Amino acid sequence: AAGVIQSPRHLIKEKRETATLKCYPIPRHDTVYWYQQGPGQDPQFLISFYEKMQSDKGSIPDRFSAQQFSDYHSELNMSSLELGDSALYFCASSPWTDGDTQYFGPGTRLTVL
Amino acid sequence: EDKVVQSPLSLVVHEGDTVTLNCSYEVTNFRSLLWYKQEKKAPTFLFMLTSSGIEKKSGRLSSILDKKELFSILNITATQTGDSAVYLCAVEVTGTYKYIFGTGTRLKVLA
Repeated sequence: AAGVIQSPRHLIKEKRETATLKCYPIPRHDTVYWYQQGPGQDPQFLISFYEKMQSDKGSIPDRFSAQQFSDYHSELNMSSLELGDSALYFCASSPWTDGDTQYFGPGTRLTVL
Repeated sequence: EDKVVQSPLSLVVHEGDTVTLNCSYEVTNFRSLLWYKQEKKAPTFLFMLTSSGIEKKSGRLSSILDKKELFSILNITATQTGDSAVYLCAVEVTGTYKYIFGTGTRLKVLA
C-alpha cells in the first residue's frame, strides 16, 4: 500500500538560506499535518491543511509558511534558516473520514550549518 | 571577490523524485556558467550557459541561467541511483580563462 512520501530525505543548508520540504499524502487523504522534532524532543505540531485550506496552526515560526496544492501535496517553506531549525520534519496525512488516525511519512532531516 | 555558491550542500532523495540544484554567483566579468557531474573520477561536463532565459536540456537534465539575478538552476527529473554524484557549478571569467568553482552539491538517490 502507498505511504506518505516526503522529499528530500536529508537536506543540508547554511544559515539564512531557504528550504522547501515536500509531502505527498496517501491517495484519497485530504488532510496533511507538519511536525518538527528536534534532537531528543517530542514532535511539535506546526500546521495542518484540509482541502487546501489551513485547518490548524501550532508553533510554526513566522519564517515558515506552508500550503496544500490541488493534488493534496503540501510544501513547507522555511526562510532565513537558523541553527535551531535543524530537526526532523515529519508530515502526516489522514482521510477526512478518520481524522484521529494520522499516517506519518519517513521524515526529512534538515541540518542547518 | 568573485565567488560561486551552491545550494543545498547535500541532498538525499528517492528514485523518481525531481531535484533542483542552485548556483548563485558574484563575478565581475561573467563569460559563462558551467555545470559538471563528478563521480569517482574527473568531472563530466553537463551544460554551458551564456544567455539568460534559454533552457538547455539533455534527457532528464535541464538548466537555465538568470543573468539579472545572477543564478542558475539544474533540474533532474525522475532521478535514478546513477544520478548520485557531486554536481559542480563553475563560472568562467571573461578574458582570463579562469573558472571559479562552487563547493558542489552532493546528491544521493536511494533505490
